[in-house]
Amino acid sequence: SQTIHQWPATLVQPVGSPLSLECTVEGTSNPNLYWYRQAAGRGLQLLFYSVGIGQISSEVPQNLSASRPQDRQFILSSKKLLLSDSGFYLCAWSTAGVDETQYFGPGTRLLVL
Amino acid sequence: GENVEQHPSTLSVQEGDSAVIKCTYSDSASNYFPWYKQELGKRPQLIIDIRSNVGEKKDQRIAVTLNKTAKHFSLHITETQPEDSAVYFCAASRGSSNTGKLIFGQGTTLQVKP
Repeated sequence: SQTIHQWPATLVQPVGSPLSLECTVEGTSNPNLYWYRQAAGRGLQLLFYSVGIGQISSEVPQNLSASRPQDRQFILSSKKLLLSDSGFYLCAWSTAGVDETQYFGPGTRLLVL
Repeated sequence: GENVEQHPSTLSVQEGDSAVIKCTYSDSASNYFPWYKQELGKRPQLIIDIRSNVGEKKDQRIAVTLNKTAKHFSLHITETQPEDSAVYFCAASRGSSNTGKLIFGQGTTLQVKP
């Protein structure tokens, strides 16, 4: 069966510091991968998605970036965090070209101080 | 662009009553409509989904109905229980899209009072 991992689970970072969040999927090949951000008490904002290695599409212009160095690895980064970057970051995967159902990882809770 | 509107934003019901959450979508090419439940501090979990070739789907106490002509779909929860309290999100997708992107509604906070 497929599983999705995210780490770290929680993170407290000062403003202006860099960020790296990692997501990995097991048990499937060539998945579509997604990064979402959820502010406290708010909805799901799609940040990036990827349909293959090195293929990244950005949905919202901001100071975040994403990379997919391996088939089942998706990384969210920032060079300098802003206070507004605080939130719950969720990674998700779906089976490319077969099923649009997305399955979410456990999330990373980021607090920028 | 593509948009999904979800109503109400909050819903409070007594235990045992029914709850209905409604969503409308703008992209007439959408043909896949999942519903997710998110408990406090947890990840969203798929609870039910429907494709455009059917009008209704049931799974125990939950059901989803779809009206493609009117471009709206609804989640129905019967005999609500306190553990149904959560935020519910609807979404829509073009099934033929290679990206698998989902367009999410804004969410409905359901509170079931014991």
